[in-house]
Order: sequence, then structure tokens, then C-alpha cells
Amino acid sequence: GAVVSQHPSWVICKSGTSVKIECRSLDFQATTMFWYRQFPKQSLMLMATSNEGSKATYEQGVEKDKFLINHASLTLSTLTVTSAHPEDSSFYICSARDPQTAGAYNEQFFGPGTRLTVL
Amino acid sequence: AQSVTQPDIHITVSEGASLELRCNYSYGATPYLFWYVQSPGQGLQLLLKYFSGDTLVQGIKGFEAEFKRSQSSFNLRKPSVHWSDAAEYFCAVGPSNDYKLSFGAGTTVTVRA
Repeated sequence: GAVVSQHPSWVICKSGTSVKIECRSLDFQATTMFWYRQFPKQSLMLMATSNEGSKATYEQGVEKDKFLINHASLTLSTLTVTSAHPEDSSFYICSARDPQTAGAYNEQFFGPGTRLTVL
Repeated sequence: AQSVTQPDIHITVSEGASLELRCNYSYGATPYLFWYVQSPGQGLQLLLKYFSGDTLVQGIKGFEAEFKRSQSSFNLRKPSVHWSDAAEYFCAVGPSNDYKLSFGAGTTVTVRA
């Protein structure tokens, strides 16, 4: 299957700093990527849909100025958590849709996640 | 709007015993249905999916799931559990006209020796 990577796998930062998380599709071109947030022992909550070459679409309640998403190429989307605070600590997971996968209209391939801890 | 319910928060099963995880969905039409597994600190791995056709779907790692339209369910089963099956399992639903997935709250599976 298609492979999606995330970098870094974990990051610790001080409150008030910004952190960038990268999501890459390694062996396919992803026109659409998704960013999820997962709190401990909870499900994944969709934050935003990232479309290559256009602005991201954010879910209700997600601050677009807080969570900046850039999808500059067909293999890379980045999530920047600006002015991070302890409440932003979470597990961030991206996924990518492979439009070339036949008969898999909705199939998404998930990255391994990034653990963000804000001190 | 679509939604997914996983009624069981935590299931403990003995190694070698059978496992069934429940998933109910709410959606106006026939959705696309998925089961994912997540090991601690890891991303999600797709176990199986249902789009159409045969309602009994075979997946990886010996898992299978059955789509029952009348019950709006997509339960996951495995005949004989291995210790490595201890993980978090998520059911997800997606509409046929969008790529957004809605996830259930997850079921934690513990396997005892």
C-alpha cells in the first residue's frame, strides 16, 4: 500500500513558540491530505482538509490562524502550530488520499503521527 | 451528518479466543466503512474496508467484518486472537460523495495470556 510519513515523530517545545509538522506521501502524489488531532484515549478529530495549490478547509471550531496548513506540492503538506500552548499538546496524525488507487474512492493512508508536547 | 458508535470502550479477551468489536453507523445512504487498528503511539493501519458487493469482508491479520444494512452495523471479528492483536480499534465511515471520514471513539482490546 501507499506510504505516508510524518516528521518529526515527536517534538517538545516551549509555550509561545511555533512548531511545524511535515506530512509526506512517499510513493504517490496526494492531491488531498487530511490533518487529525487525537487526545489520549480518544478518537481522531478531523481538523482540516489540505488541497494542493489551494487554501485548506478547516472544520468548525478549528482556529485557522492557530493551525496553519500549507500544501505546496503533491507530496508534502505541513501543519504549523503557531504560538503553541500546553493545551495544544496532542497527537497529530495526517493522512493522504491516493487518487490513483482504483476502486478506493475514500481510502486514506495514514502517517505514523507526531506527538507534540508544549511545556 | 454521518456518525459512528462503538459501544464497547474496552474489551479483554484471552489469547486464542474469538473477538468481536461492534460498530454502528448513522448515515442516509450506503456509506463506505472502514476498520483501522492503532498500536500505542502509532498511526492507523487499515484492516479492511467495505464499499459494495459481498457484505462479508476479509481483511489483513485474519480479521473479517460483516456489513448489515438492516442493523446499520459493521462488526469486526477474529476467530482466534493473538497477543499482538492488543491495540486500539477504530471504525470509520465515509460518504460516497466526500473524502472526509468520521471515526468512532475506539475500542481498546487487551489480550490476556
